[in-house]
Amino acid sequence: DAGVIQSPRHEVTEMGQEVTLRCKPISGHNSLFWYRQTMMRGLELLIYFNNNVPIDDSGMPEDRFSAKMPNASFSTLKIQPSEPRDSAVYFCASSHQKGQGPYEQYFGPGTRLTVT
Amino acid sequence: AQTVTQSQPEMSVQEAETVTLSCTYDTSESDYYLFWYKQPPSRQMILVIRQEAYKQQNATENRFSVNFQKAAKSFSLKISDSQLGDAAMYFCAYYGAGSYQLTFGKGTKLSVIP
Repeated sequence: DAGVIQSPRHEVTEMGQEVTLRCKPISGHNSLFWYRQTMMRGLELLIYFNNNVPIDDSGMPEDRFSAKMPNASFSTLKIQPSEPRDSAVYFCASSHQKGQGPYEQYFGPGTRLTVT
Repeated sequence: AQTVTQSQPEMSVQEAETVTLSCTYDTSESDYYLFWYKQPPSRQMILVIRQEAYKQQNATENRFSVNFQKAAKSFSLKISDSQLGDAAMYFCAYYGAGSYQLTFGKGTKLSVIP
């Protein structure tokens, strides 16, 4: 299995630009998570999808952030407009949630976003 | 809300020696799972070991083992025969049964000295 795939691995953009991060979960997994990692706040859950439906987006920091999952094999996290404080590593993770847990989450390699 | 605390921001160990990383957690749930993740400089989050709270036996995976003290809400990771490739950030994580959310600690940066 290819694991969770994220693109791009690195993104440098200017303040005010739109940024789109992409994720392909592991085939057969029905849950997808977007996390943000910073030195100050550690790993934070931004949004959780189950069967392509957003279940919990309480971690999305502002309306500038949006996430979609149009099908079981693809998700995007969009920031518009981007700000320097959005600079972080963004992780996508997937898991197969069925029956008894634990539902181990498998992480992608992350996208390092730098907003100047 | 559950919280996970890693009190050691940084640790170091001599190659081939043993090191223990600490983790405590706070929860009112009786059924849950605990994990240790490793994050090397490549940034990839790698699952190292997991422990089910209902199991009394401590989990082991090759050179990695845990000391799970449920009453004390403690979940430490022991790395034996440390290798240079063990150098990484280590995150302790909590997962409530029936939940979907992993709660992570702040991490411990482990350095391995040749």
